[in-house]
Amino acid sequence: EVQLVESGGGLVQPGGSLTLSCVGSGFAFSTYDMTWVRQAPGKGLEWVSHIRSSSSIIFYADSVKGRFTISRDNAKKSLYLQMNSLRAEDTAVYYCASELLIAGVGNGFDNWGQGTLVTVSS
Amino acid sequence: QFVVTQPPSASGTPGQRVTISCSGSSSNIGSGYVFWYQQLPGTAPKLLIYKNNQRPSGVPDRFSGSKSGTSASLAISGLRSEDEADYYCAAWDDSLSGWVFGGGTKLTVL
Repeated sequence: EVQLVESGGGLVQPGGSLTLSCVGSGFAFSTYDMTWVRQAPGKGLEWVSHIRSSSSIIFYADSVKGRFTISRDNAKKSLYLQMNSLRAEDTAVYYCASELLIAGVGNGFDNWGQGTLVTVSS
Repeated sequence: QFVVTQPPSASGTPGQRVTISCSGSSSNIGSGYVFWYQQLPGTAPKLLIYKNNQRPSGVPDRFSGSKSGTSASLAISGLRSEDEADYYCAAWDDSLSGWVFGGGTKLTVL
């Protein structure tokens, strides 16, 4: 069974830091691109960051650029999101998701984790 | 506010056919594929349609997608109560170098 399990969420003060983790199982993690998507309470989906299977290419949304860092360890089948200088507007459920590229073309985020809640508040 | 726009709500009665639109620009929908995600209440999103009109294994053929120019649409035929969910379109934006999601459409089955 394909699974993505996030962890690391919690309550953090504005300006603080937090690192999220996502562990994959049941699929060839090292061959998939991975992405983080967040959802503020009662709001829609917002893409955060994306990393290629080999970590060769990384993308960030403007809203997190310079504050968040995405990384992965294929040997540990793990994806990470280091979040610094957190703001109230970063409060959201953070999902990790996988995408398989075939001939360089993405096929959509076909597997999602259950999400981990990050609350930024004093 | 959203780079890709969807109607905030849609509704239909059981058995009906409903359509949800998704409007973008030449830098996103107009230059690449459209993806649709279904989010049932309290759950993580699920891939519903990929590459404009392809269904992943397990997605009923009641769901179909199409794209024309800078717009796309999701059609659901034979509407069922379990289709009540939020639906999001998404596309890669070449100008932003990132994924963009529509604001989401809340589908109510009356």
